Amino acid sequence: EVSLVESGGGLVQPGGSLRLSCAASGFSFSYYEMAWVRQAPGKGLEWLSYISVSGRTIHYADSVKGRVTISRDNAKKSVYLEMNSLTAEDTALYYCARGEDCSGESCYPNWFDTWGQGTLVTVSS
Amino acid sequence: DIQMTQSPSTLSASVGDRVTITCRASQSIDSWLAWYQQKPGKAPKILIYKASILESGVPLRFSGTGYGTEFSLTISSLQPDDFATYYCQQYRTYSAFGQGTRLEIK
Repeated sequence: EVSLVESGGGLVQPGGSLRLSCAASGFSFSYYEMAWVRQAPGKGLEWLSYISVSGRTIHYADSVKGRVTISRDNAKKSVYLEMNSLTAEDTALYYCARGEDCSGESCYPNWFDTWGQGTLVTVSS
Repeated sequence: DIQMTQSPSTLSASVGDRVTITCRASQSIDSWLAWYQQKPGKAPKILIYKASILESGVPLRFSGTGYGTEFSLTISSLQPDDFATYYCQQYRTYSAFGQGTRLEIK
């Protein structure tokens, strides 16, 4: 079964840092582009970041550019999001999402055919 | 940046109704549009991609149309399981979601 499981969320003070992880299973992880999307409480979806299958091509939303770093480890079937200088506006449920099947090529930008259940990040003093 | 605007924000309907949700892009996105359904406490689920292609396993009562800047999602006959929030997403340039349409029981 195809699965994405996020972890690493929690309560962090303003100005703090956090590293989110997303573990994939049930599919050939190294063939898929990946992304992070967040959802503030009671709000809509916000695309944050993209990483190519090789990890060499990366894009960020303007709202987080310079404060977050996406990476992946194909051997560990995982994608990561490192976040710094966190503010209350970063409080949200963070999802990792799989880009559509492009047979190992790039389809960026992507729609997302599989989502994790999310990990909650709360920024508060 | 391409902005996506959905209407209405909330839609009240009854089981069996035909409903349509609209999504407008601030500039042309050709057919690079997807629709998702999200239920409370759950992750979004893909319904339609490339404006009108139904994802495998999605009921045929869902359909999508549009090109350029105007798009719509139609549910031909609402079922109890369809009451949820729906989001459009453009993937023409970077990615952006609409603000969502909450479909509630009348």
